[in-house]
Amino acid sequence: DIQMTQSPSSLSASVGDRVIITCQASRDITNHLNWYQQKPGKAPKLLICDGSNLETGVPSRFSGSGYGTFFTLTISSLQPEDIATYYCQKHDSLPIFGGGTKVEV
Amino acid sequence: EEDLVESGGDLVQPGGSLRLSCVASGLTFTAYAMGWVRQAPGKGLEWVSTITADGTVTWYADSVRGRTTISRDNSGNMVFLQLNGLRVDDTATYYCVRDKNYPRDAFDVWGRGTIVTVSS
Repeated sequence: DIQMTQSPSSLSASVGDRVIITCQASRDITNHLNWYQQKPGKAPKLLICDGSNLETGVPSRFSGSGYGTFFTLTISSLQPEDIATYYCQKHDSLPIFGGGTKVEV
Repeated sequence: EEDLVESGGDLVQPGGSLRLSCVASGLTFTAYAMGWVRQAPGKGLEWVSTITADGTVTWYADSVRGRTTISRDNSGNMVFLQLNGLRVDDTATYYCVRDKNYPRDAFDVWGRGTIVTVSS
């Protein structure tokens, strides 16, 4: 089975920092990759589809890139409301989530 | 406003069964595949199952296949998850989700979750 590996598993950053989260697939998934944000005690929220397509209403400081086996989620300027755990999810064949990256200030 | 509300979570003994329900409102239910995603306490997300918009095709994660059945009632805007042979590692919050891009699964509407606890 394909594996989705996120790194780091957690990070600490300051408000205004550029934050980069990576997601690596164990085989080529082209651009079949979504990103979610889950704030403490809340359900996840879809941020980005198909590697780089921002969902409606998601702030432009979020961006996604990558193709094949390596993907990144970038927060260009971290805001206090961005404190959350972020998950990648592949969607070729059956959906599989990465292990998550917890972002703290 | 698009909303999903789950129910049916409970404390159950190993080997027991539960039927989870999810009612949808404010969305064109019959146009979308629906699914379930779970999250064990303090752990990450795990996709469980998906059912197509017309209910004719279903998919299951290996961890639940053979013990779980997903179904839907399009007249009542509801989706169900029948869990049998429950194990301690099935303990989780179960989220009902809308799959907006099936088969390019993207879960864009989530319920608040219902908690399943499997323990003796």
